[in-house]
Amino acid sequence: KQEVTQIPAALSVPEGENLVLNCSFTDSAIYNLQWFRQDPGKGLTSLLLIQSSQREQTSGRLNASLDKSSGRSTLYIAASQPGDSATYLCAVWDTGGFKTIFGAGTRLFVKA
Amino acid sequence: ETGVTQTPRHLVMGMTNKKSLKCEQHLGHNAMYWYKQSAKKPLELMFVYNFKEQTENNSVPSRFSPECPNSSHLFLHLHTLQPEDSALYLCASREPGQGVSPLHFGNGTRLTVT
Repeated sequence: KQEVTQIPAALSVPEGENLVLNCSFTDSAIYNLQWFRQDPGKGLTSLLLIQSSQREQTSGRLNASLDKSSGRSTLYIAASQPGDSATYLCAVWDTGGFKTIFGAGTRLFVKA
Repeated sequence: ETGVTQTPRHLVMGMTNKKSLKCEQHLGHNAMYWYKQSAKKPLELMFVYNFKEQTENNSVPSRFSPECPNSSHLFLHLHTLQPEDSALYLCASREPGQGVSPLHFGNGTRLTVT
């Protein structure tokens, strides 16, 4: 059974710092991996989707990497800003492409 | 505007009530999902519909009854719920199949069962 773990559970950093959020999964037979952001009381906003054949994806200050063999993905946020404060979740897609398993998320707070 | 609209945003209901949650997507997708998000727990997949057909029921109790009349609309009918069913219920959509299509979420319905 696929399990997704995100470390750390919470993180507080000063503005301007570069940071890395971690996501690990137990079954390397995944199809895609997707990173989301969730603001309090809101739904999830898609940040990056990495196909299983890819190693990384970039969007602005965000860079996500995927290492299927080790069951890991990282989300790198450069030059963090207070507006980046949110919960970040990763989700892996099973090989059928229909089911997603989510991690519990990392709650990020960027101090001004 | 997320492209996926959920109503109502908040719902308080007693254990004997019957209510429905509504989800509508304007993205032209053919796969729709219901998720449950409880405090301090990961998102739990409840139901998946592809082209209006239910393809996944993740062992959800029968007091939750989904309905997908067309590819743009998804409902979750609720009856005789328990207090532990209080949670944020999220709807999502994407293109079905193994293509590279990200999930798009609505803002959710915050349900409180009293």
